[in-house]
Amino acid sequence: EVQMLESGGGLVQPGGSLRLSCVVSGFTFDDFAMNWVRQSPGKGLEWVSTISGSGGARYYADSMKGRVTISRDNSQNRLFLQVNPVRADDTGVYFCAKNGAPDPADPFFDHWGLGTLVTVSS
Amino acid sequence: EIIVTQSPATLSVSPGERATLSCRASQSVRTKIAWYQQRPGQAPRLLIYAASTRATGIPARFSGSGSGTEFTLTISSLQSEDFAVYYCQQYNTWPPLTFGGGTKVEIK
Repeated sequence: EVQMLESGGGLVQPGGSLRLSCVVSGFTFDDFAMNWVRQSPGKGLEWVSTISGSGGARYYADSMKGRVTISRDNSQNRLFLQVNPVRADDTGVYFCAKNGAPDPADPFFDHWGLGTLVTVSS
Repeated sequence: EIIVTQSPATLSVSPGERATLSCRASQSVRTKIAWYQQRPGQAPRLLIYAASTRATGIPARFSGSGSGTEFTLTISSLQSEDFAVYYCQQYNTWPPLTFGGGTKVEIK
């Protein structure tokens, strides 16, 4: 059974930094690209970033480019997202999501974590 | 960037009735469309990918159709657990991956 659990959310001051983590189990982690998707309060879904299974390819939304870094530790089955500096409009729930098929594959998402809430406020 | 537009924003349907949700892309995405269901307080769940292929464990009452720029998600007979928000996502041309704004299916 695939399980995915995010952590690292909480209250962050504008201009500060945050590091989110997602630990996974139930599949061969380094075979699959992984993604971060966020959802502002009461709003829709917004893709943030994708990293290939090997970690060699990384893609970012323009709204966060230059402030965000996606990475992964395949030895520990962990996915990370660093954001620096954070802004008020980064507030929301951040989900990690798994690609639906092994690399190379189309990026739709067949499993999602429960999400971690990030609140950016002074 | 491909803009994805969903309509209507809210759909009021009685249990047992059919629901038809629309998704339009600003340019052709071939059949590279996925549909997700999100219940309140939950993570999204994949329903359909490649425009018409049901994901594992998804009931047959969910079906997807379309190609190019026009897509439809149909729920043939709404059950109580189907009242939720539905999102479509294009993955033909990226980055960025883009989602529609969602359609909320509510009880009539």
